Amino acid sequence: KQEVTQIPAALSVPEGENLVLNCSFTDSAIYNLQWFRQDPGKGLTSLLLIQSSQREQTSGRLNASLDKSSGRSTLYIAASQPGDSATYLCAVSGNTPLVFGKGTRLSVIA
Amino acid sequence: EPEVTQTPSHQVTQMGQEVILRCVPISNHLYFYWYRQILGQKVEFLVSFYNNEISEKSEIFDDQFSVERPDGSNFTLKIRSTKLEDSAMYFCASHRGQRVTGELFFGEGSRLTVL
Repeated sequence: KQEVTQIPAALSVPEGENLVLNCSFTDSAIYNLQWFRQDPGKGLTSLLLIQSSQREQTSGRLNASLDKSSGRSTLYIAASQPGDSATYLCAVSGNTPLVFGKGTRLSVIA
Repeated sequence: EPEVTQTPSHQVTQMGQEVILRCVPISNHLYFYWYRQILGQKVEFLVSFYNNEISEKSEIFDDQFSVERPDGSNFTLKIRSTKLEDSAMYFCASHRGQRVTGELFFGEGSRLTVL
């Protein structure tokens, strides 16, 4: 059964700092990995989708990498801003529908 | 930009009552899903729907739950007799193309509170 773990559970950084969020999954037989952003009480906004054949994807200040064989992904956020404060969720799709981690709650302090 | 829309945004109901949550997926999408998130917990898969039938469901999706696509645009989740533990945020999602490689788009969610 696929399990997704995200570390750290919470992170607080000063504005302008670069940061890395980690995601690991137990079954490397995945088709893709997706990073989402969730604001309190709100829905899930897709940030980046990485197919299993890809190593990374970039969108603006965000860069996600995927190491399928070791079951890891990282989300790199450059030059963090207070508006980046949210919970970031990692989810993997394989033989089962999307399985989510519990998320990393990010606070960027001005 | 096309989006998944859900109604209601918040519903409060008494235990034992029936609830219907509604979703309008993105129009050219073929696969539809319901997920739920109990407060403070992970987002969990409930059911997927393709070609007018359930393609997969989780252990959570028991006989109290049903899904329907009544008119080609709406996608509904019905809970027949709500329990306290059904209180959660319910998310509808959709994607086009192949099930396993498509990017999943989520709605804003429907918060269900069972009293």
